[in-house]
Amino acid sequence: EPEVTQTPSHQVTQMGQEVILRCVPISNHLYFYWYRQILGQKVEFLVSFYNNEISEKSEIFDDQFSVERPDGSNFTLKIRSTKLEDSAMYFCASSSTGVVETQYFGPGTRLLVL
Amino acid sequence: AQSVAQPEDQVNVAEGNPLTVKCTYSVSGNPYLFWYVQYPNRGLQFLLKYITGDNLVKGSYGFEAEFNKSQTSFHLKKPSALVSDSALYFCAVRDYTNAGKSTFGDGTTLTVKP
Repeated sequence: EPEVTQTPSHQVTQMGQEVILRCVPISNHLYFYWYRQILGQKVEFLVSFYNNEISEKSEIFDDQFSVERPDGSNFTLKIRSTKLEDSAMYFCASSSTGVVETQYFGPGTRLLVL
Repeated sequence: AQSVAQPEDQVNVAEGNPLTVKCTYSVSGNPYLFWYVQYPNRGLQFLLKYITGDNLVKGSYGFEAEFNKSQTSFHLKKPSALVSDSALYFCAVRDYTNAGKSTFGDGTTLTVKP
């Protein structure tokens, strides 16, 4: 069964450093998402992406964040200058179409900012 | 704005007994409702969804959920719980106006005891 994959599984970085989290969505999916889950808290929406542009973003997704689909398979989340409070599990998700379709989640990348 | 409430942080049931995990929602339009399960150190696994049609939705692993429009609820149920059902369960809602953004509840930890 097709699945969303994410790399790395864990990332430790120093505050102020840039990180890039990578995702390979399910191959025939057209909509892509990033969510995060701070330890012990709920899953929070960051951004949705369709047709090579951002469809919607949350207030969390400020200028330090960016997303890109650099080729036909990868979908990346970049944090330019990490802060301690960016420490979280970051989930990528994809869906075949938009609103009514199921979003399938990857296993997540656990980011720790020191 | 859309929101989800899971009123119980923890649900404990004995193996073989029926289980219910509660969820209520608020959206401005027609709701699209989802249940996901998260095992420790794992991503979110899709269980079931309600888009339209029958109010009783059947999903993976014997789970089902009942959509109740008047009570704005979407409770997750299973007739006979298994120890392996022990996990963190998230209810999520989407509104067709929000480009696929899912809003998650705080999660309910289900513990099934032998």
